[in-house]
Amino acid sequence: GQNIDQPTEMTATEGAIVQINCTYQTSGFNGLFWYQQHAGEAPTFLSYNVLDGLEEKGRFSSFLSRSKGYSYLLLKELQMKDSASYLCAVLDSNYQLIWGAGTKLIIKP
Amino acid sequence: IAGITQAPTSQILAAGRRMTLRCTQDMRHNAMYWYRQDLGLGLRLIHYSNTAGTTGKGEVPDGYSVSRANTDDFPLTLASAVPSQTSVYFCASSEGTSANTGELFFGEGSRLTVL
Repeated sequence: GQNIDQPTEMTATEGAIVQINCTYQTSGFNGLFWYQQHAGEAPTFLSYNVLDGLEEKGRFSSFLSRSKGYSYLLLKELQMKDSASYLCAVLDSNYQLIWGAGTKLIIKP
Repeated sequence: IAGITQAPTSQILAAGRRMTLRCTQDMRHNAMYWYRQDLGLGLRLIHYSNTAGTTGKGEVPDGYSVSRANTDDFPLTLASAVPSQTSVYFCASSEGTSANTGELFFGEGSRLTVL
């Protein structure tokens, strides 16, 4: 079966750095997405990786290793507004999106 | 403001009743999707449409039906609601087809409770 694993919940301090990991086992791979979802709101797109390496976008970076079936989302200079759930999703060989359950990130002052 | 509009935002429904969740987008996107989101689970695809006039089944289609008469509208119907269909439903769209790697744009969600 296809599987996306992420930690259920993480806690970090305002101003710090946090890394949210995602491991996947899917039938084929055509890219990996990260979405942010604030409580009670819709998910919004953060990043897309299809090649190995690091993609940087402001305070957020996303890393991919296809050989290891692994990605992480790195958030720097954490702000209170970064408190949200972060969803990892993989596009499989049929171009269907397989979603992880999400990681709830709690930011403390 | 361009985007996706869902209605209703919240609904309590008696089991056995018929319910249609509405979804309208004004971005002229080809592909549209319906997901359900349940606590502890990832988003699960119910039905999708790659373009107007076509629809397809997702991971959890049973008990749901959709139609795509035009580009903008993609309603989801529960013919006879059951308590296990209590969930938050998200409509989404993307510029390309489901084979495209484009990002998804989501509506604000419809919270449905079936008693």
